[in-house]
Amino acid sequence: DAGVIQSPRHEVTEMGQEVTLRCKPISGHNSLFWYRQTMMRGLELLIYFNNNVPIDDSGMPEDRFSAKMPNASFSTLKIQPSEPRDSAVYFCASSLATTGSELTGELFFGEGSRLTVL
Amino acid sequence: RKEVEQDPGPFNVPEGATVAFNCTYSNSASQSFFWYRQDCRKEPKLLMSVYSSGNEDGRFTAQLNRASQYISLLIRDSKLSDSATYLCVVNGPTDTGRRALTFGSGTRLQVQP
Repeated sequence: DAGVIQSPRHEVTEMGQEVTLRCKPISGHNSLFWYRQTMMRGLELLIYFNNNVPIDDSGMPEDRFSAKMPNASFSTLKIQPSEPRDSAVYFCASSLATTGSELTGELFFGEGSRLTVL
Repeated sequence: RKEVEQDPGPFNVPEGATVAFNCTYSNSASQSFFWYRQDCRKEPKLLMSVYSSGNEDGRFTAQLNRASQYISLLIRDSKLSDSATYLCVVNGPTDTGRRALTFGSGTRLQVQP
């Protein structure tokens, strides 16, 4: 079975450019999460969706970041304009929440998108 | 103060050793607890859940102390393949009221031949 699929795996861009990261969750999962990982701050939750609806976006660093989930099989995380401090690995994860938006604990992560902003 | 705190390590141990990792969490209302494993340049994967009564999965034992807000992971008879970063994860309302999985920064283990 296919796991969580993210693209691109690697992206190098220049400051000021728009970056779009994509995620396809595991079929049947109703919760989707975007995390960012850096050496300094570890894994940080940016936003999560339940049944395609954003539940909590308080982790989104600032207005330059936006995320959408137009349907159950696709989500994007956009950074516009990008800055060098956005360099990180961005993980998408999905889960099956059994009770509304309750989180079951097992998240299935994609392989991540490694972003470098010069 | 971080919501989930771990000793970053690294823990360098010989094969066959027993090693223990600790984790503390700040919110007493946290409801469930997990250990994830992350290999170098890979994604995190669930290692095991942590139950109130303690639980074991082969060479791995997890324990929870709610009174002290403390979680532990014990690895017996370490293998080279156990080398990874171990992430303590807490589920439940955070200090800011969010309901989410909160990850610790991880403890790095290096098992040496």
